[in-house]
Amino acid sequence: DGGITQSPKYLFRKEGQNVTLSCEQNLNHDAMYWYRQDPGQGLRLIYYSQIVNDFQKGDIAEGYSVSREKKESFPLTVTSAQKNPTAFYLCASSPTGESTEAFFGQGTRLTVV
Amino acid sequence: AQRVTQPEKLLSVFKGAPVELKCNYSYSGSPELFWYVQYSRQRLQLLLRHISRESIKGFTADLNKGETSFHLKKPFAQEEDSAMYYCALRGYGQNFVFGPGTRLSVLP
Repeated sequence: DGGITQSPKYLFRKEGQNVTLSCEQNLNHDAMYWYRQDPGQGLRLIYYSQIVNDFQKGDIAEGYSVSREKKESFPLTVTSAQKNPTAFYLCASSPTGESTEAFFGQGTRLTVV
Repeated sequence: AQRVTQPEKLLSVFKGAPVELKCNYSYSGSPELFWYVQYSRQRLQLLLRHISRESIKGFTADLNKGETSFHLKKPFAQEEDSAMYYCALRGYGQNFVFGPGTRLSVLP
């Protein structure tokens, strides 16, 4: 079954702990993205990567970190520095080049208590 | 700067009525524009893109560069169209910039 898989679907963490969200794709896409989805704010870009071993900050990168050691994987770590981490996180991937769409995972809902 | 605006947070129409979801963008070059839809309990998925000029599920969208708009239209709304709709732009750096979204509610 091809596509993007995010795990887990729900995640609970205590305040002050780092947590890593998984995103894996088997679509052979070069580009991968992490978005945060909050009610009324749409999707805001956290980090994106156009190629293995390279990534760029998006609009709200503070308090987050990523790695791109493999083409298929783009994990996101929510650190204790993120002031308001409770949110719905979406991972996406796309081929590079013109007229290509982004494909999304099912999302991970992170709740920090 | 790249920005996408969707002025309506919520749009309610009756079944069979026309619907128009507004989208405006700011971008200095030639953008690629998309409409994404998120049905209840489903993942975000592409509805249509401006470059393909196609109609999907009865929806169409025309890019108006003069007005920097990419409004989504459907002549006769159906109850199954109720969903969250996001307008998106792909520009510098090849990343996707999304608007805040409009929730469409089609009433019976």
